[in-house]
Amino acid sequence: DARVTQTPRHKVTEMGQEVTMRCQPILGHNTVFWYRQTMMQGLELLAYFRNRAPLDDSGMPKDRFSAEMPDATLATLKIQPSEPRDSAVYFCASGLTLLGGKETQYFGPGTRLLVL
Amino acid sequence: KQEVTQIPAALSVPEGENLVLNCSFTDSAIYNLQWFRQDPGKGLTSLLLIQSSQREQTSGRLNASLDKSSGRSTLYIAASQPGDSATYLCAVENYGGSQGNLIFGKGTKLSVKP
Repeated sequence: DARVTQTPRHKVTEMGQEVTMRCQPILGHNTVFWYRQTMMQGLELLAYFRNRAPLDDSGMPKDRFSAEMPDATLATLKIQPSEPRDSAVYFCASGLTLLGGKETQYFGPGTRLLVL
Repeated sequence: KQEVTQIPAALSVPEGENLVLNCSFTDSAIYNLQWFRQDPGKGLTSLLLIQSSQREQTSGRLNASLDKSSGRSTLYIAASQPGDSATYLCAVENYGGSQGNLIFGKGTKLSVKP
């Protein structure tokens, strides 16, 4: 049963600390998305990659957030330094985009982040 | 800027009732619209995807309709069951925007009481 995995599932940290969230997309998927969900804003796209190349990170605060795909099986989202307003659930999703096609996105269970 | 609105924010119905969830969007130049389900503490599961050229999609007891000109979509759930309790989100993908950039509503939290 292929699924997107995310670690850690929960993270509590203090303001100013570095936070790294990891995502393992479904094997064979070539597109990876990072979303953030809060009560106030709902779900927002932060960044996404296709074939490991960043295509759009306009939704991501550039000064403290960074997203990378070191290889096809791992995507990371890093916050440095973290702030209380970063508290949210961060979701990773993956999909398979074929030429001229559109992918269905499969979501991971999320990382619930609390910054004190 | 595309905005997606879902009303009501929460809905409680008795088991067996048919119900309709509403989604509206401000920019009709969409590529597709999707309905997702989110269970507490879990990720999202795609339920139905309607391409802009389509009017509706059906899956089991679920039927989603799309009226692009009026900027509206509905998700119809027939014979609701307690297992349908979850938050339902709709999301649109715009033409011309970044591919894959889904813009989500804030969801309708559905509670089906036995």
